[in-house]
Amino acid sequence: SQKIEQNSEALNIQEGKTATLTCNYTNYSPAYLQWYRQDPGRGPVFLLLIRENEKEKRKERLKVTFDTTLKQSLFHITASQPADSATYLCALEGTALIFGKGTTLSVSS
Amino acid sequence: GAVVSQHPSRVICKSGTSVKIECRSLDFQATTMFWYRQFPKQSLMLMATSNEGSKATYEQGVEKDKFLINHASLTLSTLTVTSAHPEDSSFYICSASAFEVGLQADGELFFGEGSRLTVL
Repeated sequence: SQKIEQNSEALNIQEGKTATLTCNYTNYSPAYLQWYRQDPGRGPVFLLLIRENEKEKRKERLKVTFDTTLKQSLFHITASQPADSATYLCALEGTALIFGKGTTLSVSS
Repeated sequence: GAVVSQHPSRVICKSGTSVKIECRSLDFQATTMFWYRQFPKQSLMLMATSNEGSKATYEQGVEKDKFLINHASLTLSTLTVTSAHPEDSSFYICSASAFEVGLQADGELFFGEGSRLTVL
C-alpha cells in the first residue's frame, strides 16, 4: 500500500538558519506532491505544489525539491523565523490527498 | 482565494448523542468535499469523499452508518457523528477543491478550520 514518511517528528533550529524537512514515499508514483502548513488546532494551509517533471520550486523563502528516483521531496525554509514554527505536512496526489504525519518545526530566537 | 468555513469549531457532547458538523464553501461552489479526521500527532486520515447530489464514498474501515455525510448543495456538506462515543473524540476537518471553478491552477485543497469533538 502507499506509504508516506516524514522522517523527523520534530525539528528545532535557530532563527536565521535553513530548515530542511524530508518526505519519503513508497509504492507510489504520484503526478505531484504538495506541502501544507498546520498550526495547532487549525486546518492545514496550502504552501507549494511540485509536479513529477519539476525538480525544484520556489516561493519566497520556501523551496521544494522532488526526486522521483529517490521517491523523496525536500522542503526548505531559508532565513527561518519564529513565526515559521508550525507542523509541516507533505501530501501525495491520489484519488484524494494522502498526508504524512508531519514534522513540527520550532524556530528559536 | 477560496474560503472554506467549518462549524462548530469545538463541541462537547455526552456519549450516545449525535453531533453535526457543517462545512461551507463561502465564495465558490464545490461539487466535491473531503472529510478528514486527525488524532493527536497523527496524520490527516481521509474518512470520506462527499459528492453533491449523490452518496458519499467512504474509505475502508470508516462506518458509513456512524458517520453520515450529506452534500445537499454545492456549498454545504455536513458530517453527523451518530451515537458518539469517547473513541470518536478527534479533530475533524473538511476540505474542498476549487479547481473546477478555476480558482486555483493546481490541485491544492482549501481546508476548513477544523472541529474539535470531545465525547464525554
